[in-house]
Amino acid sequence: GENVEQHPSTLSVQEGDSAVIKCTYSDSASNYFPWYKQELGKGPQLIIDIRSNVGEKKDQRIAVTLNKTAKHFSLHITETQPEDSAVYFCAARGGGFKTIFGAGTRLFVKA
Amino acid sequence: NAGVTQTPKFRVLKTGQSMTLLCAQDMNHEYMYWYRQDPGMGLRLIHYSVGEGTTAKGEVPDGYNVSRLKKQNFLLGLESAAPSQTSVYFCASRTTAGELFFGEGSRLTVL
Repeated sequence: GENVEQHPSTLSVQEGDSAVIKCTYSDSASNYFPWYKQELGKGPQLIIDIRSNVGEKKDQRIAVTLNKTAKHFSLHITETQPEDSAVYFCAARGGGFKTIFGAGTRLFVKA
Repeated sequence: NAGVTQTPKFRVLKTGQSMTLLCAQDMNHEYMYWYRQDPGMGLRLIHYSVGEGTTAKGEVPDGYNVSRLKKQNFLLGLESAAPSQTSVYFCASRTTAGELFFGEGSRLTVL
């Protein structure tokens, strides 16, 4: 089955700096790669996603890149702000119904 | 517009007791999922359903049962709770495009 690895587990950046979170997946049939943000005491919320026919997608300060050959995808947050502090999860889904998540990255943005 | 509602939000059980977690969604989604979240392990899929009357096993199904008698409800049952089932449980429903909408979680402690 699908396996998703996520790094780093913790990331601390200064406000205004960029943050990058990387994931790898195992199932070459996976074609949908969402990213979720989880704030304390809440359920995860989708922030951006990318499909296998696209190499990069951007939405304001966040962007996601996908390298299907290497089975890598990454989340980039620019000009980080304190409200970006949260846990971020990458995930992958193939042709089936299961979305498999990485272990999560706890991002701290220091003011 | 409630989205995904989970009950109860908190519960403490003794080893061997049984309980049911209820998930209700008002978005008319076909697909529903139960995940558990443990520190350092991300979100792991327990069971899922692709429509009323259907259920299927996820990554970690042992010790849990589910039922989807009505489209809007997805129940997760623990027949004989064990301390290893202490966790935060999240229910989610999914759009046809793939976005998951999560509830706010149910924190279960098994003593």
